[in-house]
Amino acid sequence: DQQVKQNSPSLSVQEGRISILNCDYTNSMFDYFLWYKKYPAEGPTFLISISSIKDKNEDGRFTVFLNKSAKHLSLHIVPSQPGDSAVYFCAASARTYGGATNKLIFGTGTLLAVQP
Amino acid sequence: DSGVTQTPKHLITATGQRVTLRCSPRSGDLSVYWYQQSLDQGLQFLIQYYNGEERAKGNILERFSAQQFPDLHSELNLSSLELGDSALYFCASSVQDSTNSPLHFGNGTRLTVT
Repeated sequence: DQQVKQNSPSLSVQEGRISILNCDYTNSMFDYFLWYKKYPAEGPTFLISISSIKDKNEDGRFTVFLNKSAKHLSLHIVPSQPGDSAVYFCAASARTYGGATNKLIFGTGTLLAVQP
Repeated sequence: DSGVTQTPKHLITATGQRVTLRCSPRSGDLSVYWYQQSLDQGLQFLIQYYNGEERAKGNILERFSAQQFPDLHSELNLSSLELGDSALYFCASSVQDSTNSPLHFGNGTRLTVT
């Protein structure tokens, strides 16, 4: 059962344009969402996060939007740069009863290619 | 550089064998997590330790086990290896055991079972 889904395996965007990566989730208990970026031969790197009490979080060129009613979040990169070319993973976590947990559930990733 | 160190980088072994993967977390991080990434799959959560104690378990097979030592480094033991165990194994660490503490990943150990 894939609780976090990234339905687009790949995305190609021109340099300078907006990149929009999408993610859907099924577990309504998720209360914290993150995006990670991964280059080949490296581990994932934390990019940006959002709590379920917010619907938008911005950090420089990166903005994450959360639509709880639709169980959908998206990552916007503006403007896109060739160095942004990587695999982007969406991840979610839920606070368990009686305590906190950092068990992250990851999507399968979207390969972003930014063309010069 | 995330500060998380994983060894070895590559491991090739035969079916039925046992291997140990090692992880040193970032300085000051108390939580260690293990993830498995098979071909074309997302990262699958295996297990989490916090300050030496098991905190959460995911889809970890009974043939797999892990522990976190007093110096906070962790080891993932994989036994009776099968071809399907071939994957990238990532270790991650975080300061706290909370959902507001992003994980920092190592570069992974690529395990190939032949």
